[in-house]
Amino acid sequence: NAGVTQTPKFRVLKTGQSMTLLCAQDMNHEYMYWYRQDPGMGLRLIHYSVGEGTTAKGEVPDGYNVSRLKKQNFLLGLESAAPSQTSVYFCASRLAGGSTDTQYFGPGTRLTVL
Amino acid sequence: DAKTTQPNSMESNEEEPVHLPCNHSTISGTDYIHWYRQLPSQGPEYVIHGLTSNVNNRMASLAIAEDRKSSTLILHRATLRDAAVYYCIPISSTDKLIFGTGTRLQVFP
Repeated sequence: NAGVTQTPKFRVLKTGQSMTLLCAQDMNHEYMYWYRQDPGMGLRLIHYSVGEGTTAKGEVPDGYNVSRLKKQNFLLGLESAAPSQTSVYFCASRLAGGSTDTQYFGPGTRLTVL
Repeated sequence: DAKTTQPNSMESNEEEPVHLPCNHSTISGTDYIHWYRQLPSQGPEYVIHGLTSNVNNRMASLAIAEDRKSSTLILHRATLRDAAVYYCIPISSTDKLIFGTGTRLQVFP
């Protein structure tokens, strides 16, 4: 049981390049989330999904796209990277509902855009 | 989404109890109160959650006010490994989970 994994762990991009971050979970959770965390700041929600084939916008969705084609995977795409997207990206999955509700986070992807 | 207010930072000495407060005056009747923490250079991790009554687990205790407008996370004996940012989050089953800025806890030897 690996929990939540993120690929890659580190990446350096040039302005204008594109990339996709992969999040995978093996806990059969319906809910998945993408957050970004800038240095010294809290987490901000980018996009989230409440089930396979669904996505929704969070607090800071501009410049990002997501897809949830399979229940276990949640992809975050940057079509044209900008220096303002330099951040640490965290993915999470969630066992939602009532007394057992718990969110599990991946180790993060550190992205630098030059 | 319910709004939360937490102190920006708190300090404690090792092996002393720590009480981390959170105000959530707009919480709805069905929202659970969750606490997560983020250790340096790691993703957040679950600490504890509750609905109305106080809760205990091996990591911490959660004291919830009778009117549910505030709660307190209690670390009974702080250790250096408890130095982290602690987030209080009211959650309903369909929420999109917004983290606030949390409380940065410093623990001194």
